[in-house]
Amino acid sequence: QVQLQESGPGLVKPSQTLSLTCTVSGGSISSGSYYWSWIRQPAGKGLEWIGRIYTSGSTNYNPSLKSRVTISVDTSKNQFSLKLSSVTAADTAVYYCARVGIAVAGAGFDPWGQGTLVTVSS
Amino acid sequence: EIVMTQSPATLSVSPGERATLSCRASQSVSSNLAWYQQKPGQAPRLLIYGASTRATGIPARFSGSGSGTEFTLTISSLQSEDFAVYYCQQYNNWYTFGQGTKLEIK
Repeated sequence: QVQLQESGPGLVKPSQTLSLTCTVSGGSISSGSYYWSWIRQPAGKGLEWIGRIYTSGSTNYNPSLKSRVTISVDTSKNQFSLKLSSVTAADTAVYYCARVGIAVAGAGFDPWGQGTLVTVSS
Repeated sequence: EIVMTQSPATLSVSPGERATLSCRASQSVSSNLAWYQQKPGQAPRLLIYGASTRATGIPARFSGSGSGTEFTLTISSLQSEDFAVYYCQQYNNWYTFGQGTKLEIK
């Protein structure tokens, strides 16, 4: 079955850019039936959708983060990536990648990666 | 933005009993609602989508109901592995999550 795995630095300095990659295995990221998303969760808090990308490269972002977020896809590597610029301590969180169906009827996030903790600190 | 409000924040229930969790949307999301279970140190797991359809491999003791703005997740007979945090999430207008309900052992 499809599995997702996040990777990237666990520590980022304030004002710098957070960069993470999600590697998809067990299936093709080029499948036309899904979006590929990033979601984050600060410690002890709830979940926040960051954005999504389609295999074509078309993206949609959470309006609250849109000015700082870029999501890209590399179909040759079966990966998609997140860049979040000008980070502050408020961006410290566990970052998850996840798949979500295009058809509204089946649009739950499934599966998820295991998550990676990113801490913003000098 | 559609705001999702879950209640209660914490629910204490004994094993073998029924648990009922609620989720309210600030505006109608039709049936475009999912439920997730999250255990400490783990990623959320999809339980229900389309308000009432169980995801693959989810036991029948989990059931979802509702439409529009009011939704319910029911766990019919709690097992030890069911004690966790549960989130609702709408996908009618982008994606937003509730703040979670912690289901704890009474």
